[in-house]
Order: sequence, then C-alpha cells, then structure tokens
Amino acid sequence: DARVTQTPRHKVTEMGQEVTMRCQPILGHNTVFWYRQTMMQGLELLAYFRNRAPLDDSGMPKDRFSAEMPDATLATLKIQPSEPRDSAVYFCASGFRSLRGHQPYNSPLHFGNGTRLTVT
Amino acid sequence: QQQVKQSPQSLIVQKGGISIINCAYENTAFDYFPWYQQFPGKGPALLIAIRPDVSEKKEGRFTISFNKSAKQFSLHIMDSQPGDSATYFCAASKGINYGGSQGNLIFGKGTKLSVKP
Repeated sequence: DARVTQTPRHKVTEMGQEVTMRCQPILGHNTVFWYRQTMMQGLELLAYFRNRAPLDDSGMPKDRFSAEMPDATLATLKIQPSEPRDSAVYFCASGFRSLRGHQPYNSPLHFGNGTRLTVT
Repeated sequence: QQQVKQSPQSLIVQKGGISIINCAYENTAFDYFPWYQQFPGKGPALLIAIRPDVSEKKEGRFTISFNKSAKQFSLHIMDSQPGDSATYFCAASKGINYGGSQGNLIFGKGTKLSVKP
C-alpha cells in the first residue's frame, strides 16, 4: 500500500532553533504539497512543487521558512529560526499530474500522517 | 477572506442516523470539490469528490449534493456508524481537473463528527 512518509512524527524544540521536516512522496508522484494545520486556521497551503520545481510558495513566511526537493524522493521544509507561533501539524501530500491526449490529468492528493511541531 | 465556509463546527449523531455537513464557496472558477476524512493522528484521506457538471454523487453510504447556483455542496452520511467519528473537511480547487486537484486545494475549517452508539 503506497503511502506518503513524513519524519519526524513529533518534534519539540526551543524558540530560535532550526527545524527540518522531511517527506517521501509516493513513488512516481510528481507533485508535492506542504500544508500546515492549526485549530484556528485549519489546513493552509504553504508551498507546492511539480517535477521538483517550486510552483507556489506564497503561503509560506519567506523570512524563516524554506522548502526544497533535493531529489524526486525527498521534500524538505525548514524553519529557521523557529517561533512558538509555528507550533502546528505540518502535512506533506503528493499527487500525479500528466497529459492524456491534450488534456491534463491530476490524481487525488495523498497525505502523510504529519509532523507535530511544538516550539517552546 | 475565507473562500470555503464549512458548517457546523461539530456534530453529534446517533448510530444509524444521517450526518449532514455543509460547505459554501465564493469563487465560481472552482471546479473540483472533494471531501476529506481525518482520524486523530492521521493525515486527511480523500473520501469522495464531485465536479460541478453533476448535482449528486453517491459512493456507498456517502453522498455529495452540489448546488452550483447557490455555490453550496454538502456531505450526507447515511446510517452513520461510530467508526465514522472523525473530522471531515470540504475543499475546492480551480483549473482543469480530471479526477483530482490541479494545485491549490482550499480547505474548509472542518467538522468534528461524533457518532454515538
């Protein structure tokens, strides 16, 4: 059963420290999304990539957050320096986009089980 | 500006009853409307989805009703079971979609459903 794998599952850190979250998308998926979930804001899109290229990172605070895809099997989300307001569950999701004839096809998104980040 | 508004925030239903969750959207360019189910400690999982060219889609006990003119859609869970207790999210996205989301899924804030035995 193919699944999106996120590590670590839980992270507790002190304010000012660097945090790196990792995601392994489903093999063959070419689109990767990062979402943040909080009680107040719900699920918010931070950034997404297609074929490892960033397509949209407008939801991400640029001064402290960065997202990369070093290769097709790894996506990373980094926060430096972390702040208490960054405490949330961070989800990675992956999907597949292709062309069928002249029409694009997009698979449903598959989410990982998230990284619960607590910044004290 | 909240583009997808979901209600109610929480819902308690007796076993065997019908659970109804509603969503309203603002952007008429949206053309893909999925519902996701999330259990504690897990990521959201796609439950059922609809495109605006149909008014209803049914999969087992789960039905989406879609009203394009009112810009509303709802999830009905028939014969609700304790195992359905979870948080449900509606979402919407725009673009050319065949079977899934092109990109930015805009989520509602979720409905926590509790089904009492």
